[in-house]
Amino acid sequence: DAKTTQPTSMDCAEGRAANLPCNHSTISGNEYVYWYRQIHSQGPQYIIHGLKNNETNEMASLIITEDRKSSTLILPHATLRDTAVYYCIVRTHGGATNKLIFGTGTLLAVQP
Amino acid sequence: GAGVSQSPSNKVTEKGKDVELRCDPISGHTALYWYRQSLGQGLEFLIYFQGNSAPDKSGLPSDRFSAERTGGSVSTLTIQRTQQEDSAVYLCASSSSYGRGQWAEQFFGPGTRLTVL
Repeated sequence: DAKTTQPTSMDCAEGRAANLPCNHSTISGNEYVYWYRQIHSQGPQYIIHGLKNNETNEMASLIITEDRKSSTLILPHATLRDTAVYYCIVRTHGGATNKLIFGTGTLLAVQP
Repeated sequence: GAGVSQSPSNKVTEKGKDVELRCDPISGHTALYWYRQSLGQGLEFLIYFQGNSAPDKSGLPSDRFSAERTGGSVSTLTIQRTQQEDSAVYLCASSSSYGRGQWAEQFFGPGTRLTVL
């Protein structure tokens, strides 16, 4: 699976959009971009995933560049409850193991 | 409905003792995963069960670690002769079955915090 690079930490004001970048320059054509987050003292939680088109759900939007070498997770109106570590993961679908390989992630601190 | 549950939530043990950690997956989920999260290593995969297939044990750090999944549901992670470096949060996740080219969302439990003195 391709390696990802994320900033160690970011701040965001409550109510503003949080834009979390992820670089995955070695991504291959059949690899998807996944985002998970982990709120303190909880297990990770799935947010969104995509292949090449932009995706949106009730939690967030995922913007993937045309060359697919980077992506941005957007939380449109961040709240204090969105403070968490956000993990960008790149992987194929339906491999022998559905395991997730987590990097170090980005600690997003939403400030009041 | 009920999510993934794990017990105990906290476990303190002495070096050299054996421990068992339990995971109850979401009902009907055929796939079950164990991960651990420690300060020095981040979140790492340990073992994976999918239906009746042979488990993927590629993430187990040593032969002191083993896991079972009885009846396709509950799983137990056993650590023998615990060492201080085994101290970590052990997370369990489950997902529905999936086929080639598909994916299945993993739902995580709250974890068991293991402290080895």
